[in-house]
Amino acid sequence: KAGVTQTPRYLIKTRGQQVTLSCSPISGHRSVSWYQQTPGQGLQFLFEYFSETQRNKGNFPGRFSGRQFSNSRSEMNVSTLELGDSALYLCASSQEGLAGAETQYFGPGTRLLVL
Amino acid sequence: EDKVVQSPLSLVVHEGDTVTLNCSYEVTNFRSLLWYKQEKKAPTFLFMLTSSGIEKKSGRLSSILDKKELFSILNITATQTGDSAIYLCSVDSNYQLIWGAGTKLIIKP
Repeated sequence: KAGVTQTPRYLIKTRGQQVTLSCSPISGHRSVSWYQQTPGQGLQFLFEYFSETQRNKGNFPGRFSGRQFSNSRSEMNVSTLELGDSALYLCASSQEGLAGAETQYFGPGTRLLVL
Repeated sequence: EDKVVQSPLSLVVHEGDTVTLNCSYEVTNFRSLLWYKQEKKAPTFLFMLTSSGIEKKSGRLSSILDKKELFSILNITATQTGDSAIYLCSVDSNYQLIWGAGTKLIIKP
């Protein structure tokens, strides 16, 4: 099976712009979770989508949003970018998500740099 | 507030040494504890622990959970340079994964 794929792999934006990141889960996986990883903070949970519905949400401002399509692919959007949004954004997929206490498979991440 | 604390934050050892990485947690509704290895980008799954006192083992890696004292350890014996990575611990609490900051392990030849 192909693994989790994320596009783009690298992105440079300026403050105030918006960005959309994409994640394609492993075939058959219905849950997609998004994480922000920064050197000082480790991984921070953004949100989880399951069957096109946001099932769980972390403590991030409303500038961070997401959605999931019927084929389980997910997008994450960040509006009005700030310098502090520079990070590695990881998505992870699993069959049933955290509700099933299953392991997640991570994509390679999108490295976002905000100037 | 749920939190997961890993120690040490970084560790440098020589090939062949044995290392023990620690993960302690305080969460509201513990469901499971997971260990991941992150070498370049994507973390890869190592172990999931749900029951106290039962060791999970995979080759030279092993892990055990103590739910009474709220911690887990990850042990790596006969370390190799390929074990150099960041080791991440996360706890599933209320269907959210709470992550530690990771332990950066460097194995010197």
